[in-house]
Amino acid sequence: AQSVSQHNHHVILSEAASLELGCNYSYGGTVNLFWYVQYPGQHLQLLLKYFSGDPLVKGIKGFEAEFIKSKFSFNLRKPSVQWSDTAEYFCAVNPNNAGNMLTFGGGTRLMVKP
Amino acid sequence: EAQVTQNPRYLITVTGKKLTVTCSQNMNHEYMSWYRQDPGLGLRQIYYSMNVEVTDKGDVPEGYKVSRKEKRNFPLILESPSPNQTSLYFCASSGNWHGELFFGEGSRLTVL
Repeated sequence: AQSVSQHNHHVILSEAASLELGCNYSYGGTVNLFWYVQYPGQHLQLLLKYFSGDPLVKGIKGFEAEFIKSKFSFNLRKPSVQWSDTAEYFCAVNPNNAGNMLTFGGGTRLMVKP
Repeated sequence: EAQVTQNPRYLITVTGKKLTVTCSQNMNHEYMSWYRQDPGLGLRQIYYSMNVEVTDKGDVPEGYKVSRKEKRNFPLILESPSPNQTSLYFCASSGNWHGELFFGEGSRLTVL
């Protein structure tokens, strides 16, 4: 069965620091890739997505992610975090022949200190 | 406003007392699903529905039932809740088949 690994469970950064959250998946075929964000007490929202084309995708609020097929990775980055980025971040993988079946990683809790 | 609405948002119940968590979406989406979120495990899919009267099991269906009699509604039923079903539940819907989901605000369930 496919799996999604987020190796950092908790990350604490100061404002203006750079962020990189790792995501690796085990599925060998073509995939659609997502990062979802869950702000405290709120529902999950789509941050960015990759279906095909340019492997560097840009999302909302200055986030970007890079798909590296050879490494089965889809790491999330932001050059300078803000206190309002404090949230839990989930990577998710959808094999593109599997409808809306999403496999989520375990999540990374990010705390940004003001 | 496009949204997925779940009720109740919070519920404390006792073992064995049947409960239903409702989910409704106003986006005319064909696809709907239920997830549970547990610390360190991310979100795991319970059941999903591709369209009216079409439902199927996800990764963790045991102890749950669903129905899809109307396009907009997808209730989650716990016939005999147990403490291991204490969790945060999310309903989601999608208007395409690429994994892009719209989530409800979650229902936190505690089974004593």
